[in-house]
Amino acid sequence: GAVVSQHPSRVICKSGTSVKIECRSLDFQATTMFWYRQFPKQSLMLMATSNEGSKATYEQGVEKDKFLINHASLTLSTLTVTSAHPEDSSFYICSASLRGGRNQPQHFGDGTRLSIL
Amino acid sequence: KNEVEQSPQNLTAQEGEFITINCSYSVGISALHWLQQHPGGGIVSLFMLSSGKKKHGRLIATINIQEKHSSLHITASHPRDSAVYICAVPYSGGGADGLTFGKGTHLIIQP
Repeated sequence: GAVVSQHPSRVICKSGTSVKIECRSLDFQATTMFWYRQFPKQSLMLMATSNEGSKATYEQGVEKDKFLINHASLTLSTLTVTSAHPEDSSFYICSASLRGGRNQPQHFGDGTRLSIL
Repeated sequence: KNEVEQSPQNLTAQEGEFITINCSYSVGISALHWLQQHPGGGIVSLFMLSSGKKKHGRLIATINIQEKHSSLHITASHPRDSAVYICAVPYSGGGADGLTFGKGTHLIIQP
């Protein structure tokens, strides 16, 4: 089956650090990947849609200059949290779909738990 | 934006019981997803359905498009079924969107 690998699984770092999270589709090509975050005891929320070869589409309230998304190939999207602060501490998870995501199951990475001290 | 309501939020049952989790949404959709989230956070896609009923092992998912409602059933529940079950639909109803999620149902199956 389709496998999505997300790395790292956990990050603990100081305030002001930039953190890069990678999301890879291991056995399929994903023209579209999605980034979500989940604060404690809350539901998952869509942050942005990552499109291969073009700019990401960000949801309302998500700062594009703070959460940099790069989707340089059909198998890799990266999310960089720039100058992270404690309020950015959250669970970040990516998903990818075959053939651009139109009416396709989404395959999720295992998530990254980010803790900013 | 599609709004998703899920119930119950918490459910504790005995091993062997028949489990039902409900989901309703506000905007017509192309497909609905049922997901399972484990304590570490990882998410597994259980079903994607756009009409009728799907079955996989002891899991059954149904959807009524007219009523904008779906149910997930677990037959002969087992402690290993304990997890958070999440209903998700396309963000604005279309087929190429990211998902918007219900708050999840925290299921505990006791031996």
